[in-house]
Amino acid sequence: KAGVTQTPRYLIKTRGQQVTLSCSPISGHRSVSWYQQTPGQGLQFLFEYFSETQRNKGNFPGRFSGRQFSNSRSEMNVSTLELGDSALYLCASSLNAGGLTGELFFGEGSRLTVL
Amino acid sequence: AQSVTQPDIHITVSEGASLELRCNYSYGATPYLFWYVQSPGQGLQLLLKYFSGDTLVQGIKGFEAEFKRSQSSFNLRKPSVHWSDAAEYFCAVAPSGSARQLTFGSGTQLTVLP
Repeated sequence: KAGVTQTPRYLIKTRGQQVTLSCSPISGHRSVSWYQQTPGQGLQFLFEYFSETQRNKGNFPGRFSGRQFSNSRSEMNVSTLELGDSALYLCASSLNAGGLTGELFFGEGSRLTVL
Repeated sequence: AQSVTQPDIHITVSEGASLELRCNYSYGATPYLFWYVQSPGQGLQLLLKYFSGDTLVQGIKGFEAEFKRSQSSFNLRKPSVHWSDAAEYFCAVAPSGSARQLTFGSGTQLTVLP
């Protein structure tokens, strides 16, 4: 079956703009998580959604937001972009939100460059 | 707060040699533990995970890891490295019951010499 699909794969924005990234989870998966990967800070948890509800949120400013749709697809949005937002944004899906279903399946990421 | 330390930023081994990547964590209770691998331009792939039980965990691609509670460690091992194992390896922890909110280490870049 198809893996986690993220679009777009690459994008360039300028400071002050906003960006929306999309993630389609593996079919049947109901949980979607987002991570930011940068050379300086490494991999950091952004947020997790399950059944259209945000379950957990990492330590990021309010400029970072997300949502999940009824078909489990998720989007994340970053407003008022800053140079430091340049990163690889990884989406991961998992089957459930509770219990020991601990395997996250990651997409290939969306690489955002802010100029 | 939980944290993960991977003390080796870069490791170089010859093909066929054994490999051990170190991971130490800081957490109040026994967390869930994971090793992921990332090839250039790719997402993360799960190699193995530890939730409870047997402290020696087998994963994919011939990797294994051993959980040592007394040392707060979860080191990754492979007896014989292949050139295709060259990649970046990440150790991660999650609080029990919330296996999707991962805290990652800074990663170890593995180079394999022919």
